Amino acid sequence: EDQVTQSPEALRLQEGESSSLNCSYTVSGLRGLFWYRQDPGKGPEFLFTLYSAGEEKEKERLKATLTKKESFLHITAPKPEDSATYLCAVPNPNTGNQFYFGTGTSLTVIP
Amino acid sequence: DGGITQSPKYLFRKEGQNVTLSCEQNLNHDAMYWYRQDPGQGLRLIYYSQIVNDFQKGDIAEGYSVSREKKESFPLTVTSAQKNPTAFYLCASTISSGNTIYFGEGSWLTVV
Repeated sequence: EDQVTQSPEALRLQEGESSSLNCSYTVSGLRGLFWYRQDPGKGPEFLFTLYSAGEEKEKERLKATLTKKESFLHITAPKPEDSATYLCAVPNPNTGNQFYFGTGTSLTVIP
Repeated sequence: DGGITQSPKYLFRKEGQNVTLSCEQNLNHDAMYWYRQDPGQGLRLIYYSQIVNDFQKGDIAEGYSVSREKKESFPLTVTSAQKNPTAFYLCASTISSGNTIYFGEGSWLTVV
């Protein structure tokens, strides 16, 4: 069964302590992997799209990477304002018009 | 600025009432979606529409209805048949299948 799994569910970091979030997927025929940031009570905000293994994208302290089975969101020297829930999603490989979402990783960065 | 506008942000419903959540986009996107988000659970698809006057059920369509009379608009009605409607509802859109999906700010629905 096609699915997306994120780990860990929650992560607490000290400010400046780098770490990585994981998104593993089992869909065959990947048509892109999407990362989002969601603040409490708000809609998810688009961060990155990755399409092929080996691809990397960066934005400020965030870097997303993709392999054939998983994606990592690396957070370098995080700040308290990076605290949020990070979601990943992949489109249904057969139709493309539905998306499988992970349950997210809740990141808290402590000053 | 282009974007997706959801209204109202907060809505309270009495048991037995139908309520309608509005979603408007000015991104010229063809496909629109409604998701439900509950604490500790991922986004669950309620309905989606790829073109005007056409829509399909998602994973949890029971107790909900939609319409797509205009490209820009995709309202969601939560009917009295929905037994547990208290949740955060998200509208989204994408220019076409498989492309980046963008979200509105969400609407909180509470049954009182």
